[in-house]
Amino acid sequence: DVVMTQSPLSLPVTLGQPASISCRSSQSLVYSDGNTYLNWFQQRPGQSPRRLIYGVSNRDSGVPDRFSGSGSGTDFTLKIDRVEAEDVGVYYCMQGSHWPRTFGQGTKLEIK
Amino acid sequence: EVQLLESGGGLVQPGGSLRLSCAASGFTFSSSAMSWVRQTPGKGLEWVSTITDSGGRTYYADSVKGRFTISRDNSKSTLYLQMNSLRAEDTAVYYCAKTSHFQFWGQGTLVTVSS
Repeated sequence: DVVMTQSPLSLPVTLGQPASISCRSSQSLVYSDGNTYLNWFQQRPGQSPRRLIYGVSNRDSGVPDRFSGSGSGTDFTLKIDRVEAEDVGVYYCMQGSHWPRTFGQGTKLEIK
Repeated sequence: EVQLLESGGGLVQPGGSLRLSCAASGFTFSSSAMSWVRQTPGKGLEWVSTITDSGGRTYYADSVKGRFTISRDNSKSTLYLQMNSLRAEDTAVYYCAKTSHFQFWGQGTLVTVSS
């Protein structure tokens, strides 16, 4: 199975400051069709997960443009330009290039 | 608006069975692969199973293979998960999700396996 490793696992951030989460996969996520199926999810307290980013860098509909994804191969990053109070929650990366689908452990973002 | 509404969770004894349902609306259900993902209390996310749009192919996590069966009824826009031989470690909130890349999620249904 592809192991997804996130860092940090805890991320205290000051409001208005940037935040960055790293996600590394144990194998390349480049699929045979040439695409890379790396997604990011946000789970706010008490809510279901919500997909933010698909295919490394594509924002889902309604996702603020302060969220951005980047990376390639086995190394990926989620960035938040200026953290707002509503961004508090746990962020997960997930690979969709291999079966079984696997998630990272989650990164808990909190406000300092 | 896409809506996914899970039901069927509850308390069951070890070795017992449950069937979860997920009623979908707001999109063409028959054109979309569907998945189940679970989350153990206070822990992370685990993919459980995926079924293609026609139901012709299914995929399972090793942890549930041979015990769980995913299926769908496209005429009713409903996804199912039949869970047999349940174990304590199957205790989790079960979410249905649109596609095998989890584009949209339901609100989840809690399954508790305990004597």
